[in-house]
Order: sequence, then structure tokens, then C-alpha cells
Amino acid sequence: QQQVKQSPQSLIVQKGGISIINCAYENTAFDYFPWYQQFPGKGPALLIAIRPDVSEKKEGRFTISFNKSAKQFSLHIMDSQPGDSATYFCAPLTTGTASKLTFGTGTRLQVTL
Amino acid sequence: NAGVTQTPKFQVLKTGQSMTLQCAQDMNHEYMSWYRQDPGMGLRLIHYSVGAGITDQGEVPNGYNVSRSTTEDFPLRLLSAAPSQTSVYFCASSSSADTQYFGPGTRLTVL
Repeated sequence: QQQVKQSPQSLIVQKGGISIINCAYENTAFDYFPWYQQFPGKGPALLIAIRPDVSEKKEGRFTISFNKSAKQFSLHIMDSQPGDSATYFCAPLTTGTASKLTFGTGTRLQVTL
Repeated sequence: NAGVTQTPKFQVLKTGQSMTLQCAQDMNHEYMSWYRQDPGMGLRLIHYSVGAGITDQGEVPNGYNVSRSTTEDFPLRLLSAAPSQTSVYFCASSSSADTQYFGPGTRLTVL
């Protein structure tokens, strides 16, 4: 049962460009939509998250866009930097079930000079 | 405040051996979880706990046991290691909020 589909699997972006990662879900009970960032050899860490009462949330260079009717949400990284090179995971969940996340398969982002 | 700690960082086992992966958190979080990470498959939930004395199975529980005798600790036991259990294991904790905090991981190789 694949509840969460993430794309693309990998992404190469030039420094200063825009990185876009997409996540599609099936479970309409999901009401919290986070993105996690993972650097090599480290555990994932929360990057940014959105609740369905808004369609967009921006934190610095990172923006989440949320489309409830399409059951999709996206991560946009503006002015991508080499330090953004990491693997990104979406992990939508139902509030109160934080102990059991369902992760997307991940997107490996490489930002080149 | 160390957050979530895991030991060991690396481990090599032979098929059939048993071992325990340790996980501890000092944030007084109720919820703790174990995930395994394999290439191309993201992180998959093995077992989780919503409080001391309470555990439940996740997506891929076979071959693993857990217990939660204290709020701080959540060890993961491999009873008889198999090559299919070669993976990177992450422990995570969370409060009643929805953010999980992950440990640094244990890289396990089963020969």
C-alpha cells in the first residue's frame, strides 16, 4: 500500500536555481504535511511543514505549496545553494500519530556550482 | 540536552547472531519509533511506542522485538540476524506534537 509518492527521485540544479520536489498522497485523513531534510550520515530533520488551512508557507528560501483537491504538496527551494545538497523526504501524517510516519521514497538533490 | 542518541554507530553481524540497538532520548517525549532506511525505499517504520509499557508494530516488524520500560529508552532487538536486515536504523522521538526528532543512526551489516 503506497500511500505517499514522491518525485523526482533525483534532481540536479545549478547554484541560484529553483529546486522543486513533489509529493502526492492518498490518505485524506492526513492533516499535517512536513518535509524532512537528511544530510549524508545523519538522521532526517524537520525542514518545513504546513497545515491544510493555508495553501502556501514560506520560510526563508523554502516554500511549501499545498493543493488539497489534488492531494499534493510541493517543496520549492529558491536560490538553491550547494549546502542544500541533501535528500528530502515528505512525510504526511494525521495529527497525533507522529510516532508512525509514512515517508516518501526521497529525492536526492545536488546543487552544482 | 543530547536529544536522541543511538549506539552503536556501526555493527557487523553474522547470520543468526542476535544484538540490541540502543536508543535513548532526554526530551521527555512520550512517543518513540524505530525506522529502517534502505536505498530507494525511504524510511519504513519497524515498531513504535506511545508511552512506557506500550508498543506496537509498524510496517516491517518481522525479525525485530522492542520493549519500553522507561520513557527515555527504546531498544530494538534482532533475535536472529539475516542478510535482509542489513540497513541503516534510525530511532526517533516526539512529543504530542507532530515533529519527530531523529537520532544519528546505526549502520548494520549482516554477513
